[in-house]
Amino acid sequence: DAMVIQNPRYQVTQFGKPVTLSCSQTLNHNVMYWYQQKSSQAPKLLFHYYDKDFNNEADTPDNFQSRRPNTSFCFLDIRSPGLGDAAMYLCATSRDTQPAYEQYFGPGTRLTVT
Amino acid sequence: AQSVAQPEDQVNVAEGNPLTVKCTYSVSGNPYLFWYVQYPNRGLQFLLKYITGDNLVKGSYGFEAEFNKSQTSFHLKKPSALVSDSALYFCASVPINTDKLIFGTGTRLQVFP
Repeated sequence: DAMVIQNPRYQVTQFGKPVTLSCSQTLNHNVMYWYQQKSSQAPKLLFHYYDKDFNNEADTPDNFQSRRPNTSFCFLDIRSPGLGDAAMYLCATSRDTQPAYEQYFGPGTRLTVT
Repeated sequence: AQSVAQPEDQVNVAEGNPLTVKCTYSVSGNPYLFWYVQYPNRGLQFLLKYITGDNLVKGSYGFEAEFNKSQTSFHLKKPSALVSDSALYFCASVPINTDKLIFGTGTRLQVFP
């Protein structure tokens, strides 16, 4: 089945220690998104790629970076995690950025910062 | 400011009874509207969307939603709730000329046996 896969499902890192979360998709979608979700709140968009074009949200901290080496994979790098970065990180894809297309979400990676 | 409101943090309903999860929007133009469901420790799953046309939209798992332009609402409904419907539900909108989902704050649906 075509899907969005996130690894690992649970990640524990130390304060200030860089961490990378990964996302892959078999849907061959052009757009990949990264969201941060805290405590059952609404997901907050961090950034997205349309193909290789990177689009950062204005309020996303510089501590958060992303890479998309090919259509299938996208990575979220947190350079120096703080306690406030503990959250669920959701990857999503959509066929295009046109607003009619729904997004397909992965199961998420729950990040704990100790 | 463009926004989506879900006025109820939690909705409780008995199994077999109809359920409604409310959503209102405040966006410019005619928005695209979505409902997503999130089960514990999982990502969001798409349920249904309104783009244009018939105001009553049918989606996954027996859910439907009615677009009401005059009331700027897009309430999610199901005729007969199941215990397995218990989850967190998000209404979302993509305003015209943008490409970003604006989420509501979410409503936790609890269906009791």
